[in-house]
Amino acid sequence: DIQMTQSPSSVSASVGDRVTITCRASQGISSWLAWYQQKPGKAPKLLIYVASTLQSGVPLRFSGSGSGTDFTLTISSLQPEDFATYYCQQSNSFPWTFGQGTKVEIK
Amino acid sequence: QVQLVQSGDEVRKPGASVSVSCKASGYTFSQYGISWLRQAPGKRLHWMGWVGPNKGNTNYAQNFQGRVTMTTDPSTATAYMELTTLRSDDTAVYYCARFLNAGGFFDLWGQGTLVTVSS
Repeated sequence: DIQMTQSPSSVSASVGDRVTITCRASQGISSWLAWYQQKPGKAPKLLIYVASTLQSGVPLRFSGSGSGTDFTLTISSLQPEDFATYYCQQSNSFPWTFGQGTKVEIK
Repeated sequence: QVQLVQSGDEVRKPGASVSVSCKASGYTFSQYGISWLRQAPGKRLHWMGWVGPNKGNTNYAQNFQGRVTMTTDPSTATAYMELTTLRSDDTAVYYCARFLNAGGFFDLWGQGTLVTVSS
């Protein structure tokens, strides 16, 4: 199975800050990577797929980059509604796997 | 309204089985497959497998092979997931999710069903 490792596990930030989350795959996955946002008690929400394509309706402050094994999710200017846990997910090969999550907390 | 609506929370004893349903509305059910995923409290998401909308073709994660069955009823636009021989570590929120044909990315999710396994 492909292991997905995110860093950091948590980050404390203020409204307006730029936040970057990293996801590393244990083997190359081309661009078959997605990012999700999950708030407590809610289902995940797709933010970005194929590494850098913004899902319809997602604010432009979210962006994704990377290919192969190393990927990043960037929030350019953190907003109050962005405090949540973020997960990366690979779909290069079965079983599709997720990172352990990065919790973005209020500083 | 495009949505997936899951059945309600369940409590089961170890060794029992559970079935969770996922009813789709607002889109053409036959055009998308459905995946099932689960998330134990405070843990990461785990993909369990997927089921095609029409012919019922499936692909299960090896960890669940032999214990999980995923089916669909195209006439009611409903997907089902049955998990047997439940253990305490099967306690989790179970989600159905529609995945994009362009890749295994989940663009529409059900609200989640909590399955608690406890004696």
